[in-house]
Amino acid sequence: EVQLLESGGDLVQPGGSLRLSCAASGFTFESFAMSWVRQAPGKGLEWVSVVYSGGVSRYYADSVQGRFTISRDNSRNIVYLQMDSLRAEDTAVYYCAKNHLGGYALYAFDVWGQGTLVTVSS
Amino acid sequence: IVMMQSPDSLAVSLGERVTITCRSSQSVLYTSNKRNYLAWYQHKAGQPPRLLLYWASTRESGVPDRFTGSGSETNFTLTISRLQAEDVAVYYCQQYYTSPSTFGQGTKLDIK
Repeated sequence: EVQLLESGGDLVQPGGSLRLSCAASGFTFESFAMSWVRQAPGKGLEWVSVVYSGGVSRYYADSVQGRFTISRDNSRNIVYLQMDSLRAEDTAVYYCAKNHLGGYALYAFDVWGQGTLVTVSS
Repeated sequence: IVMMQSPDSLAVSLGERVTITCRSSQSVLYTSNKRNYLAWYQHKAGQPPRLLLYWASTRESGVPDRFTGSGSETNFTLTISRLQAEDVAVYYCQQYYTSPSTFGQGTKLDIK
């Protein structure tokens, strides 16, 4: 079964850091680009970041550029999101999502994790 | 690219037809392969989003055929031919033509 399992969500103070993890199983992880998508309370979906198959090419939403870093470990089938300088507006459920097609471009997302909640508050 | 959906919410009777529209601020049609880089998702409370359609009109495996996508370039439509109770959800369009990928604001669908 194809599965994504996020972890690492927590309550953190403004200015703090947090690292999210997403463990993948049931598919050839290294063949697909992986993204993080978030949903703030009462809001819609917002794409956050993508890392392509090789792990070198990474792209970010303007709202997190320079503060968040996405990475992947193809030997362990895990994608990470390092979040620094966190702000209240980063409060959201963070979903890990798999490209439906290929590893070197953005496509639709055919598999999603259950999400992990990040709360930024003092 | 800004994605705009309409309406923001709607309530429809069971068995009736549902139409949700999505407009992009620029074309998401990649002319070299004639594909529209547009997807539709269904998001139910407490669950992760579910991919319904990609390339604007290709149904994902397991998606009922009452869900249909149409449109090209900047104007797209999601149609549910006969609304069922389990279709209550928020529906999003997403462009993946260029980075950053962007979603519409969502359309909340309820039963009348």
